[in-house]
Amino acid sequence: GENVEQHPSTLSVQEGDSAVIKCTYSDSASNYFPWYKQELGKRPQLIIDIRSNVGEKKDQRIAVTLNKTAKHFSLHITETQPEDSAVYFCAASYSGGSNYKLTFGKGTLLTVNP
Amino acid sequence: KAGVTQTPRYLIKTRGQQVTLSCSPISGHRSVSWYQQTPGQGLQFLFEYFSETQRNKGNFPGRFSGRQFSNSRSEMNVSTLELGDSALYLCASSQIRGADTQYFGPGTRLTVL
Repeated sequence: GENVEQHPSTLSVQEGDSAVIKCTYSDSASNYFPWYKQELGKRPQLIIDIRSNVGEKKDQRIAVTLNKTAKHFSLHITETQPEDSAVYFCAASYSGGSNYKLTFGKGTLLTVNP
Repeated sequence: KAGVTQTPRYLIKTRGQQVTLSCSPISGHRSVSWYQQTPGQGLQFLFEYFSETQRNKGNFPGRFSGRQFSNSRSEMNVSTLELGDSALYLCASSQIRGADTQYFGPGTRLTVL
């Protein structure tokens, strides 16, 4: 089955700096890669996703890049703000066949220091 | 549209008891997936239901089961509770199966004493 590794497990940055979180996946058939943000005591919320036919996607201060050959994808947050502090999860899934499910990384605790 | 809702939000049980958790998906969403979230293991997939049928199951013992009703609402049941079952149980809904956005509910916090 699919296995998703996420690094680092914790990340501390100064306000205004950039943050990068990296994930690798094992199943080359995976074709959908969402990123979720989970604030303390709240539900995970989708912040951005990318499909395998796209190499990069941006949404304001957030971007995701995908390298299918190397089987890794990354989340980039620029100009970080204290409200970006949360746990971020990457995930991978394959949409074909009957075995569809999202496999999550273990999460990255991002702390943005004012 | 109203978001995904889960009931109850908090639950305290003792070992050996059983528990039923409920999830109401976003209107029009037909796929419901369940996850167990713990500090050590992160988000682990339990199972997915679509059109009242379990389509996929994660690596959990048979004590974990679920079902889906014709209105897409889903329940999961855990029998013979163990201390290690203490976790946040999240459900997520999506319109279709496959590479579709999953929207999470607030979760049910289960504590087993």
